[in-house]
Amino acid sequence: AQSVAQPEDQVNVAEGNPLTVKCTYSVSGNPYLFWYVQYPNRGLQFLLKYITGDNLVKGSYGFEAEFNKSQTSFHLKKPSALVSDSALYFCAVFAGTASKLTFGTGTRLQVTL
Amino acid sequence: DTGVSQNPRHKITKRGQNVTFRCDPISEHNRLYWYRQTLGQGPEFLTYFQNEAQLEKSRLLSDRFSAERPKGSFSTLEIQRTEQGDSAMYLCASSLGRTTYEQYFGPGTRLTVT
Repeated sequence: AQSVAQPEDQVNVAEGNPLTVKCTYSVSGNPYLFWYVQYPNRGLQFLLKYITGDNLVKGSYGFEAEFNKSQTSFHLKKPSALVSDSALYFCAVFAGTASKLTFGTGTRLQVTL
Repeated sequence: DTGVSQNPRHKITKRGQNVTFRCDPISEHNRLYWYRQTLGQGPEFLTYFQNEAQLEKSRLLSDRFSAERPKGSFSTLEIQRTEQGDSAMYLCASSLGRTTYEQYFGPGTRLTVT
């Protein structure tokens, strides 16, 4: 069975500072990994994905994520946080022939001035 | 707007009533998914369609839940004899198929069972 862990319920960072939101996963076979962002009263927005290839993937709004197979991690990063980045972030995995996404419990990112 | 749309956005119903939600996916997407999200949790998979065929159902989908996608376009999710535990956000997502894996989500339907 596939699973995703987001160990931090909330991450606080000052605007302009780098941010990291952590994600680890467990799957059988090759993982397909995703990050989504959810703003209040809105659906999930796709940020980026890792399928294969370069371990550093770039996505929307200046976000990037690093795939680390040995640590089974896929941490979300941004070099300089904005107040408008404040939202709920979900890591998800789609493994092998399965058709569904398995999500973590989410990490709330709070960026302050 | 060419994204995934869901109707209604909010539904309040009394326990025991039936409710039906609609999802219109992105037009060229042949895969459609339903998820349920409760407060403080990530979305949980309910069911999946490829075109009009329902290919996978979660154990979360009790016999009170039924989903259809009759012409391979829009989909409906019906909950019969609603219970308070059914209160949640119901999310629909669509994707293009096996060559692209990301799913695009609608805004959701928030169900409150009183």
